[in-house]
Amino acid sequence: DTEVTQTPKHLVMGMTNKKSLKCEQHMGHRAMYWYKQKAKKPPELMFVYSYEKLSINESVPSRFSPECPNSSLLNLHLHALQPEDSALYLCASSQEAGGTYEQYFGPGTRLTVT
Amino acid sequence: GENVEQHPSTLSVQEGDSAVIKCTYSDSASNYFPWYKQELGKRPQLIIDIRSNVGEKKDQRIAVTLNKTAKHFSLHITETQPEDSAVYFCAASRANSGYALNFGKGTSLLVTP
Repeated sequence: DTEVTQTPKHLVMGMTNKKSLKCEQHMGHRAMYWYKQKAKKPPELMFVYSYEKLSINESVPSRFSPECPNSSLLNLHLHALQPEDSALYLCASSQEAGGTYEQYFGPGTRLTVT
Repeated sequence: GENVEQHPSTLSVQEGDSAVIKCTYSDSASNYFPWYKQELGKRPQLIIDIRSNVGEKKDQRIAVTLNKTAKHFSLHITETQPEDSAVYFCAASRANSGYALNFGKGTSLLVTP
């Protein structure tokens, strides 16, 4: 099973709201990632968790807060977002962290900030 | 850091023809080169990948070639079908690279019946 799941599929939130995105994988992968994708652009890496520890934070604003409660789950907490944060948020996982392991993406959460 | 260039940005072919998408990379230490297909509104899907110890890899109608000397790799799709229409992203990375897949800007492929 090479499936990564994400909820919700769509999210509309105001700039003062707090919401969370969820990601789950049951492939026994030890690395999980958050990417942001704007229309007609490639995914941009935001965060990497390796063995449930935050390994990489690609200079992401603090209004995005990741959390890895266990090896199968990854959350992205959102607070005080801006309209320019509207995008597709993709979760991915790989067997291990490191550039040469296959990354499998979830279906994404389409976020609209009003 | 790694810089991946991808061409063309759009490609239109007739059903049954072949399609070729090319990527070049800058970091000679890169050793992993995946290709992702993303249909409209869907997730990027890993369709094929190649590592630097291999020059070519095939999977049914899809093939990828790698020229390490020239630092370029290509995706070849034969006998194209309308369902091949999508955006294709190449990427390059290496071990201990900070985990990043360095993506090209994408190629929008349209296969017309």
